Amino acid sequence: DVKVTQSSRYLVKRTGEKVFLECVQDMDHENMFWYRQDPGLGLRLIYFSYDVKMKEKGDIPEGYSVSREKKERFSLILESASTNQTSMYLCASSEPGAQRGLYNEQFFGPGTRLTVL
Amino acid sequence: GENVEQHPSTLSVQEGDSAVIKCTYSDSASNYFPWYKQELGKGPQLIIDIRSNVGEKKDQRIAVTLNKTAKHFSLHITETQPEDSAVYFCAASPNSGYSTLTFGKGTMLLVSP
Repeated sequence: DVKVTQSSRYLVKRTGEKVFLECVQDMDHENMFWYRQDPGLGLRLIYFSYDVKMKEKGDIPEGYSVSREKKERFSLILESASTNQTSMYLCASSEPGAQRGLYNEQFFGPGTRLTVL
Repeated sequence: GENVEQHPSTLSVQEGDSAVIKCTYSDSASNYFPWYKQELGKGPQLIIDIRSNVGEKKDQRIAVTLNKTAKHFSLHITETQPEDSAVYFCAASPNSGYSTLTFGKGTMLLVSP
């Protein structure tokens, strides 16, 4: 079974702190994604990566950056956390899809609930 | 970019009833439409998907229909059970060269015994 793990289930940080959210997948997937989930807004894509050291902005990248130094690990970074970044953060991974004419299932981690005070 | 609208936001049914969730999308280039189920405390999980060259797909008690002309697709769950209670998300994937998804805002389904 594919397993996507996230470093913390719950995290509380102070405004202005630098925050790292870590995600690891064990199925050698090339694609990895970071979403935030807010009530009434669904899942919104922050950043994604289709290869090591490659990254692309999603729909809401402002205030975030990412790092992918190894294939299995994708980190989301909040350079200076703000209260409006309080949210549930979900990581996902998948095989490459559209490049090969296929669309593949995204496998999600359990999420990190981040509270910024 | 793609915009996906999902209705209703909440749906309450009695066990054994059917449930229908509807989504519309804006980008006519989108050609892949998955549905995800998110149980409490877990990440979303794919339950069924449909591609643009297919009008309907079934898997036991769940089915998805797609109308490309009208740009809408629906999830049908028959003989609902309490364990179907969850949040359901529809999504659409534009033919952008990457496997990105644009999600709807979700439907909370509550099945009462």
